[in-house]
Amino acid sequence: ILNVEQSPQSLHVQEGDSTNFTCSFPSSNFYALHWYRWETAKSPEALFVMTLNGDEKKKGRISATLNTKEGYSYLYIKGSQPEDSATYLCAPPGAGSYQLTFGKGTKLSVIP
Amino acid sequence: DTEVTQTPKHLVMGMTNKKSLKCEQHMGHRAMYWYKQKAKKPPELMFVYSYEKLSINESVPSRFSPECPNSSLLNLHLHALQPEDSALYLCASSQQGASNEKLFFGSGTQLSVL
Repeated sequence: ILNVEQSPQSLHVQEGDSTNFTCSFPSSNFYALHWYRWETAKSPEALFVMTLNGDEKKKGRISATLNTKEGYSYLYIKGSQPEDSATYLCAPPGAGSYQLTFGKGTKLSVIP
Repeated sequence: DTEVTQTPKHLVMGMTNKKSLKCEQHMGHRAMYWYKQKAKKPPELMFVYSYEKLSINESVPSRFSPECPNSSLLNLHLHALQPEDSALYLCASSQQGASNEKLFFGSGTQLSVL
């Protein structure tokens, strides 16, 4: 079982603020790093799957970077909106397999 | 259709009951998954089916019995559960099960065992 840490655990920001959070994972035997957004009473939704060191992905106001050598990924949200309120989960797949080990997530609340 | 449909959305059962959770997808995905999520904890993998064959069983007690009748359907049969099995059960699918493929999740079945 991989040790996956996400920080902070929770975050309250004002509408319009930009924010970022961190996912740390073991740097050895890296395969991929997944980010998911999970809104209350909905299904977890895939944001990004990142595989290459230095990779940067963007989807609207959300972007993510990946450092496989030091074992971390950052998720950035520019100009937070109330609809961004959700729990953001990261997950590296286990060694040689497609099973994901999820971190505990960062719960983001955007205050209008 | 990019949906994974789970039924029922809520289930209450006694410890002597037998019930089943159902999951369906029509995206042509060949890998399907059951996850269990307890409150304030991340989802934990239970089972993985790849091309309708059980490929991963994460030491799940035998009171949980998965079944994959065809490539679109995944069931989880429940029998003699314990109150500590109360949780949200999530189904997911991916194209072939490779580590760089996104998972598509259902909205889950909230299970309460009395």
